[in-house]
Amino acid sequence: EVQLVESGGGLVQPGRSLRLSCAASGFTYDDYAMHWVRQGPGKGLEWVSGINWNSGSIGYADSVKGRFTISRDNAKNSLYLQMNSLRPEDTALYYCTKGVRRSGSGWGYFMDVWGQGTTVTVSS
Amino acid sequence: DIVMTQSPLSLPVTPGEPAAISCRSSQSLLHSNGNNYVDWFLQKPGQSPQLLIYLGSNRASGVPDRFSGSGSGTDFTLKISRVEAEDVGLYYCMQALKTPLTFGGGTKVEIK
Repeated sequence: EVQLVESGGGLVQPGRSLRLSCAASGFTYDDYAMHWVRQGPGKGLEWVSGINWNSGSIGYADSVKGRFTISRDNAKNSLYLQMNSLRPEDTALYYCTKGVRRSGSGWGYFMDVWGQGTTVTVSS
Repeated sequence: DIVMTQSPLSLPVTPGEPAAISCRSSQSLLHSNGNNYVDWFLQKPGQSPQLLIYLGSNRASGVPDRFSGSGSGTDFTLKISRVEAEDVGLYYCMQALKTPLTFGGGTKVEIK
């Protein structure tokens, strides 16, 4: 069974840091792009960051660029999101998603598997 | 950044009747390879989103054939041929042509 399990969320004060992790199983992890998507309380979906299969292509939302860093460890079948200088507006449920298999035609589409999410609350 | 605009915001539907959601992008999503880089997702109440349609018109695995995606360039439509009660939830379009990837604001589908 293909599965994504997020962890690392919690309550943190503004300006502090948090590191999210996503453990992947049930598929050949190092063949696929991966993404983080968040959903603020009562809000819609917002793509946060994505990384292609070999970490050669990485992207960020404007709202997190310079503060968040995505990475992956293909040996551990894991995806990470290092979040620094957190703000109250970063409060959200953070989903890890599996993207498209290594492709020569883009890496942002086909998010076909989503985890259950991990909640990040930024508040003093 | 590419802006995705969905309409309507809310869509009351009658079971057995068709439904359609529109998504318009601020830039063309048609790639030189002929694919339109737009995906559609459904988030059922209390659940994580699920992929319905990718690259404009391709149904994801396990998605009922009553769902279809169409359009090209900047105008896209998700159609449900005959709505069922289990189709209620929030529908999102997303462009995957350029980073940052961007979602539409969502359309809430509910049963009348």
